[in-house]
Amino acid sequence: AQSVTQLGSHVSVSEGALVLLRCNYSSSVPPYLFWYVQYPNQGLQLLLKYTTGATLVKGINGFEAEFKKSETSFHLTKPSAHMSDAAEYFCAVSDERTGANSKLTFGKGITLSVRP
Amino acid sequence: NAGVMQNPRHLVRRRGQEARLRCSPMKGHSHVYWYRQLPEEGLKFMVYLQKENIIDESGMPKERFSAEFPKEGPSILRIQQVVRGDSAAYFCASSPPNSRATTNQPQHFGDGTRLSIL
Repeated sequence: AQSVTQLGSHVSVSEGALVLLRCNYSSSVPPYLFWYVQYPNQGLQLLLKYTTGATLVKGINGFEAEFKKSETSFHLTKPSAHMSDAAEYFCAVSDERTGANSKLTFGKGITLSVRP
Repeated sequence: NAGVMQNPRHLVRRRGQEARLRCSPMKGHSHVYWYRQLPEEGLKFMVYLQKENIIDESGMPKERFSAEFPKEGPSILRIQQVVRGDSAAYFCASSPPNSRATTNQPQHFGDGTRLSIL
């Protein structure tokens, strides 16, 4: 069984500060890893994904994440927060054996607030 | 270039009524997934369907819930005899058919249906 842990439910940063959202996963097989963002009353939008290859992946809106197998982590970072980054962020894992066409297991999500 | 379309966006039902949630996948996508999001929780997988087939329903409640994805038309998530605990946001996602070209394609999500039970 796979699982995702996102510690804490809320992170607050100042505009221009570093954003770090943590994600740890548990998987018995090589995972595919994803970060999604959800704005109020909307669906989930893909920020970035790791499938194979380079462990540092870059996504939209200046976000990036690094897959660290030894730490079973896939933390999301952005060097400088913008007010528009305020949203809820979800880390998810799927089973590499079946590729993208398998269910996603989500963490509980982290709400990011950005202070002026 | 329509994305995943879900309707209605909001649905209000009284206890005991039936709720039908519809999902039209992105053009060219033949795989549909349903997830449920309870307040202050992440999304929980419910069911994975391909055209006319249920592939994985390990997340579906044993009673009152059913899903279909007919050859023609949208996927339907049906909840019979709704109860207060069914109040949640229900999200549909879609992905393309399996192939070497699409194996790394992520799931694309709709904006969800917010179900409220009175």
